[in-house]
Amino acid sequence: GNSVTQMEGPVTLSEEAFLTINCTYTATGYPSLFWYVQYPGEGLQLLLKATKADDKGSNKGFEATYRKETTSFHLEKGSVQVSDSAVYFCALSRRGGADGLTFGKGTHLIIQP
Amino acid sequence: GAVVSQHPSRVICKSGTSVKIECRSLDFQATTMFWYRQFPKQSLMLMATSNEGSKATYEQGVEKDKFLINHASLTLSTLTVTSAHPEDSSFYICSASPPGTENYGYTFGSGTRLTVV
Repeated sequence: GNSVTQMEGPVTLSEEAFLTINCTYTATGYPSLFWYVQYPGEGLQLLLKATKADDKGSNKGFEATYRKETTSFHLEKGSVQVSDSAVYFCALSRRGGADGLTFGKGTHLIIQP
Repeated sequence: GAVVSQHPSRVICKSGTSVKIECRSLDFQATTMFWYRQFPKQSLMLMATSNEGSKATYEQGVEKDKFLINHASLTLSTLTVTSAHPEDSSFYICSASPPGTENYGYTFGSGTRLTVV
């Protein structure tokens, strides 16, 4: 079956540090891959996505590249801000999106001033 | 953009009572909506797929008689937690996507924090 594995937190960084959150997946077929962000007390917001191999998703300074050969979709940002503190979820679509999403466990990111 | 509204945002109920949570797509029609459950500091687990005009599809291990789903219109799905117990306390989140965009990401509601006392 499909599964998503991401590094567990919390991950604590100083402001302006470089961020990497690892995500690997197991899936049948060719899923789409997503990163969602959840701020305290809120629902999930789509951060970025990639629908096929070698695609790079990007948004708000965050990037992730769909690597089929390593089944990975690592999230990166060159310089984090305190406002980036949140929980980040890696996810994949099931059957072209028709069956909802499979999520990783989430990574709690804490950025200190 | 696609907006999904969920209500209520928080609810406290007594053990043994039932609670209804609503999920609405505000600016698009959704033949399919999804209900997830999130435990503290854990991931979202898909509970069921809500299908407009037909029965919901439940994930393995989810009690369909406890978590009743009704998708009576193209913009509204409801999740009713029946005979609630403290172990049902959780964060419930719905999601939907305009037709044809499912592979590009879903929009999530803001979630409902259920506390059963």
